Amino acid sequence: EPEVTQTPSHQVTQMGQEVILRCVPISNHLYFYWYRQILGQKVEFLVSFYNNEISEKSEIFDDQFSVERPDGSNFTLKIRSTKLEDSAMYFCASSPDRVSGNTIYFGEGSWLTVV
Amino acid sequence: GNSVTQMEGPVTLSEEAFLTINCTYTATGYPSLFWYVQYPGEGLQLLLKATKADDKGSNKGFEATYRKETTSFHLEKGSVQVSDSAVYFCALSDPNDMRFGAGTRLTVKP
Repeated sequence: EPEVTQTPSHQVTQMGQEVILRCVPISNHLYFYWYRQILGQKVEFLVSFYNNEISEKSEIFDDQFSVERPDGSNFTLKIRSTKLEDSAMYFCASSPDRVSGNTIYFGEGSWLTVV
Repeated sequence: GNSVTQMEGPVTLSEEAFLTINCTYTATGYPSLFWYVQYPGEGLQLLLKATKADDKGSNKGFEATYRKETTSFHLEKGSVQVSDSAVYFCALSDPNDMRFGAGTRLTVKP
């Protein structure tokens, strides 16, 4: 069964450093997403991406965040200058399109710890 | 805006007990409703979904019925197993948004 894959599974970084989280969405999907989950808290939407541009973003997705689809398969989330409160599990997801009822498929997550 | 409210946990049950995790939603349109499960140390996996009113989603013995009149999508299982221990997230999506509930941690003891 096709799946969304994410790397790295765990990363520890120093405050102020840049981090890039990588994702390979399911190959025929058109919409891509990033969500995050701070330990013990709810899953929060960050951003959606379609046709090589941001479709929607939440208030969490400020100027320190950016997304890119550098080639035909990867979808990346960059955090420019990490803060302690960026420590969370980051989930990439993809869906065939954006019609309501289409399942969003999640990756296993990338656990980011900022120290 | 859209939102999902689900029963706060944690929930602790004995094996073979009946499970209900309540979920209610607020939405302006006609959303689809989902239950996702997160096993310890793993990502989010789709458990079941329903796309319109009165639809019942089911998988692995879990069921949930999309009730428009009560704006609910409660998750049920007749007989839980230790392997069902996980965090369960109710979620809704419409063409503009996908929202998750806070999650309910279920622990099933032998």
